[in-house]
Amino acid sequence: AQKVTQAQTEISVVEKEDVTLDCVYETRDTTYYLFWYKQPPSGELVFLIRRNSFDEQNEISGRYSWNFQKSTSSFNFTITASQVVDSAVYFCALSEAGGGNKLTFGTGTQLKVEL
Amino acid sequence: EAQVTQNPRYLITVTGKKLTVTCSQNMNHEYMSWYRQDPGLGLRQIYYSMNVEVTDKGDVPEGYKVSRKEKRNFPLILESPSPNQTSLYFCASSLSGTGVYEQYFGPGTRLTVT
Repeated sequence: AQKVTQAQTEISVVEKEDVTLDCVYETRDTTYYLFWYKQPPSGELVFLIRRNSFDEQNEISGRYSWNFQKSTSSFNFTITASQVVDSAVYFCALSEAGGGNKLTFGTGTQLKVEL
Repeated sequence: EAQVTQNPRYLITVTGKKLTVTCSQNMNHEYMSWYRQDPGLGLRQIYYSMNVEVTDKGDVPEGYKVSRKEKRNFPLILESPSPNQTSLYFCASSLSGTGVYEQYFGPGTRLTVT
C-alpha cells in the first residue's frame, strides 16, 4: 500500500529565510509519480510539480526547488528567500503507475511566513 | 480558461436530505475524481472515473454515489447525508494514458451536515 508522510505539521519562518518541507513516501511499485500541491488560505489546490520515479534529477523553478532521493524515499521541497505569499498548506502526494491515477496525499505542512 | 468548476461552493443541510454536488471540467480530460479533505487526514479519494460510464471506488466510498454520463461532468451524490460527511470536497480532473498526470482541482465545496 502506498503511503506519504509529512512529519512537519507546522513551520514558522521569518520572511527571506529558506525553508525545507519534508516528504517521505512508501510504495512497492518501481514506477510511481510524486507531486507537490499548494493550498493557500483561499482554499484551492494548486499543482506545483510532478516527478516520475525514473527521473531523480533535482528541479528548480524560481525560488522553489525539489530534491528527489530514491535511496531515502524522500521528495523534499525547498523555498528559498521565503515570502509572506508563500504562507499555505503544502501537500506531497504519490501515485502508483498501476493505481488508477489515485493520489495518496500526506497530511500536509502548514507554512507560516511572517514579516 | 481551463478550469474545474464545482457547485455549490458552500452547503449546509440536514441528516438524510439527498444532495448532489456538481463538477464540470472544460479540458476534455478523461479522468475525474472526488476527494474529501479533513483536518489531520489530508485528502482521501472517494470515487474516480477513467472515462465515460467507467467509475470505481476510492478509499472512502461509503455513503457516496457518482455517475459519469458525459465526459465533462462528474456529480457526487449523497443519498442520505450524515454528520460524518461534513467535510471539504474537491473534484479533480486529469489526462489519462500510459503515465500518471497531474490532477487539476476545483475550488472545493464545503459541506456541513447537521
